[in-house]
Order: sequence, then C-alpha cells, then structure tokens
Amino acid sequence: DAGITQSPRHKVTETGTPVTLRCHQTENHRYMYWYRQDPGHGLRLIHYSYGVKDTDKGEVSDGYSVSRSKTEDFLLTLESATSSQTSVYFCAIRGDTSDHNEQFFGPGTRLTVL
Amino acid sequence: AQTVTQSQPEMSVQEAETVTLSCTYDTSESDYYLFWYKQPPSRQMILVIRQEAYKQQNATENRFSVNFQKAAKSFSLKISDSQLGDAAMYFCAYSDLISSGSARQLTFGSGTQLTVLP
Repeated sequence: DAGITQSPRHKVTETGTPVTLRCHQTENHRYMYWYRQDPGHGLRLIHYSYGVKDTDKGEVSDGYSVSRSKTEDFLLTLESATSSQTSVYFCAIRGDTSDHNEQFFGPGTRLTVL
Repeated sequence: AQTVTQSQPEMSVQEAETVTLSCTYDTSESDYYLFWYKQPPSRQMILVIRQEAYKQQNATENRFSVNFQKAAKSFSLKISDSQLGDAAMYFCAYSDLISSGSARQLTFGSGTQLTVLP
C-alpha cells in the first residue's frame, strides 16, 4: 500500500471555526490532491499540488486553501467552516513517472460542521 | 469539461453470478485513461482496473473485466463469479492523457452501490 496518512481521521467542529486537515506521504511523489466526497457526487477535486509551493484550484475550491511547504505534506484549510463543508475528504498522490496516471488514496477524513 | 455518468445508483447480484456496472463519459480528447475504483465500507479507495483509450483490447484483472466502447464513450465493468467481498461502492473515473507536467486530475462518476446477496 502507498504510504499515505491523513489526520485527523474524524473531526467535529462548529460553524465559523478554522479547520486544517493534513495529508502526509512517504512515497516522495510530486503530485498531491484533495478531493471531497458527497452523496450523489462521487469525488470532486478541491485543490492539487504539482510540487513544493506549487498549487492550483480544482472544481470546488471556494472556501478552501492549501499549502505545501514540504514534499511529504499537503495541508487543506477551511478558514471559516460552514455546514456545506461537512463531507469526507480524501487525499491522493501520484508519481511524476506514473505512466498510467494511477492515483493512490489516503484513508479519508470525515468532517462534520455543526 | 469532462463528465462521467453512472446511471445505476444501486445494483444487486447473487453470489457467484455475474453483474455489469455501467459508465458513460464525455470528452473531446482522443487519448485518455479510464478507471474503476472500489470503495468498501472501510472507505478506502481501491483501484480495480484501468483502461488506456488507445488500446483496443479490453482490460482484464482476474474476475473483473471491462467493455470499452470508445465511439459510444461507454466503459462498463463486469464482475464474474461475484463474492460477498465485492460488495462496495464502485466509481468510474476519467483522466486526460496530456503532458507529464499537468495535473491529470481524476473526474469521477457518482458511484454505484453494489450489494452481493448470499
């Protein structure tokens, strides 16, 4: 299994509070992704990173920011959480030489915003 | 933008029988990848099978095979000899085949929940 961990695995927070989710990889892969999973929508891309300090927006980036100061860590921040951000969040990684574009996923973080 | 559609929110199959999950997609690209991911109750996303669009031969992985119809933009998953452990949510996903410097993000369908009946 690819070495990807996410923390925390579960979190309950209140509307208006800041939240940071962490994705950590031990594979030294260049690309990292944050997705959210909601019923009826599958997984949708929030932000991605193509290197240290190199990030870009995905399909559902409003209300989220990311940072990548080290190859192994990719942080997702909700500056002021809202109930619409209640979801399961997945991190994924991909190697630069992944000819098949296979992405490996972390175990997910269930976030509940009350 | 590419879209992926899974029109069967739920399906069921008898143990040891065969089931086919449907997926259609929309793209203007000629080369791309297609994937099926499995998500059991543990929530872990597991790659089941992949297909390169430039390959005419349908991909096969043990009991899992695909029927890739490029002209129809259809990519169905066939599970043979279904087992109780196959019960899961199955997602179809699409990725562009462009330069190595690109994001090559995955675009997912909404999923099909498969129940395996003993």
